Amino acid sequence: AQSVSQHNHHVILSEAASLELGCNYSYGGTVNLFWYVQYPGQHLQLLLKYFSGDPLVKGIKGFEAEFIKSKFSFNLRKPSVQWSDTAEYFCAVLYNTDKLIFGTGTRLQVFP
Amino acid sequence: DSGVTQTPKHLITATGQRVTLRCSPRSGDLSVYWYQQSLDQGLQFLIQYYNGEERAKGNILERFSAQQFPDLHSELNLSSLELGDSALYFCASSVEDSNHITDTQYFGPGTRLTVL
Repeated sequence: AQSVSQHNHHVILSEAASLELGCNYSYGGTVNLFWYVQYPGQHLQLLLKYFSGDPLVKGIKGFEAEFIKSKFSFNLRKPSVQWSDTAEYFCAVLYNTDKLIFGTGTRLQVFP
Repeated sequence: DSGVTQTPKHLITATGQRVTLRCSPRSGDLSVYWYQQSLDQGLQFLIQYYNGEERAKGNILERFSAQQFPDLHSELNLSSLELGDSALYFCASSVEDSNHITDTQYFGPGTRLTVL
């Protein structure tokens, strides 16, 4: 079955720390990959996406993600987090242009 | 602001009732998707419509139905509501090209449904 795993459920960091959130997906076919962010009380917003080409993708607000096909992974990174990055982060995978499957989300708390 | 609008923002109702959630996609987007976000199930895809036709179905209950109208707005109908249906319901929209390759989905602000 198609599935998306985010192993870090809750991450707590201090400002200026580096961030890496893991995302792994099942299935070896063609996939499109996304990271969404949901700030407290707000709706989902697209951070970045990967369809093809350079596997290192740069998104908004200093985030980037690397697609490693051999590991079925699409990890999200940011070199230096800010308090305003406190949010929930969702990895999502589009399988066969048909169904967007979300991971369970990672709650990030950044303390000043 | 994603350009996707949803009404109402909040909805409180009782078990056994029926409600309708409305979504207006971004201008030019032909596809509309519905998602349910609950604490125990996470974010789940319910159903997709493309230009008025049902395109894909996810974990949508038989008590739930949706449709997309000629002006491309969509409605999600939830009936015989149960306590467990309390959740945030998101709508998203995207543009699809002629090869039916789905582009990025842009999410609306959601409708928070509380079933008492």
